[in-house]
Amino acid sequence: QQPVQSPQAVILREGEDAVINCSSSKALYSVHWYRQKHGEAPVFLMILLKGGEQMRHEKISASFNEKKQQSSLYLTASQLSYSGTYFCGTPPNPTDSWGKLQFGAGTQVVVTP
Amino acid sequence: GAVVSQHPSRVICKSGTSVKIECRSLDFQATTMFWYRQFPKQSLMLMATSNEGSKATYEQGVEKDKFLINHASLTLSTLTVTSAHPEDSSFYICSAKVPGTNTEAFFGQGTRLTVV
Repeated sequence: QQPVQSPQAVILREGEDAVINCSSSKALYSVHWYRQKHGEAPVFLMILLKGGEQMRHEKISASFNEKKQQSSLYLTASQLSYSGTYFCGTPPNPTDSWGKLQFGAGTQVVVTP
Repeated sequence: GAVVSQHPSRVICKSGTSVKIECRSLDFQATTMFWYRQFPKQSLMLMATSNEGSKATYEQGVEKDKFLINHASLTLSTLTVTSAHPEDSSFYICSAKVPGTNTEAFFGQGTRLTVV
């Protein structure tokens, strides 16, 4: 089942914060966050495995709620380089390789000067 | 991190012809690779799992005779789009994970296919 991402798009000024959500009606085995710039391959940001877990990649952090049904990605003090489309992905089954992911629809982030 | 390389990065072909896309793991052996397709402004959709030395596993709705996958070595998987049509125009991306590690999947740089 494909995770649901929101919002679809967000525009923010440099230095502002934003939150991207990724949710599912059932518990997710793990959540993988990627950022993709136009015409390029997705770039890995972080993986969350356990309920209640929090991870950080530079000034981008993410959380996984206790029930493992929602993950949020926090863009703090955004930089121009943060622009791109953010995807959350999850393995369909617990035994699936982490290379086999079902992705959300994506959230387009535009950071303006 | 590990490197996955795709070739070509862009290809234009005529309708009815076939196109081969290569995906290589440069610094590790990948017994399994994954092929995704991405239409403009849409998400990545898993097409198939490529298994070294055996048949690929296709996701529901993906025509195996249309999208031929061959994984003949531990570092190379190929996707051949046969009898391509304009609706096959898309961004095709492969990924692989370093076996036996608890690390993320690495994606190739993608191939932009345009069928005219």
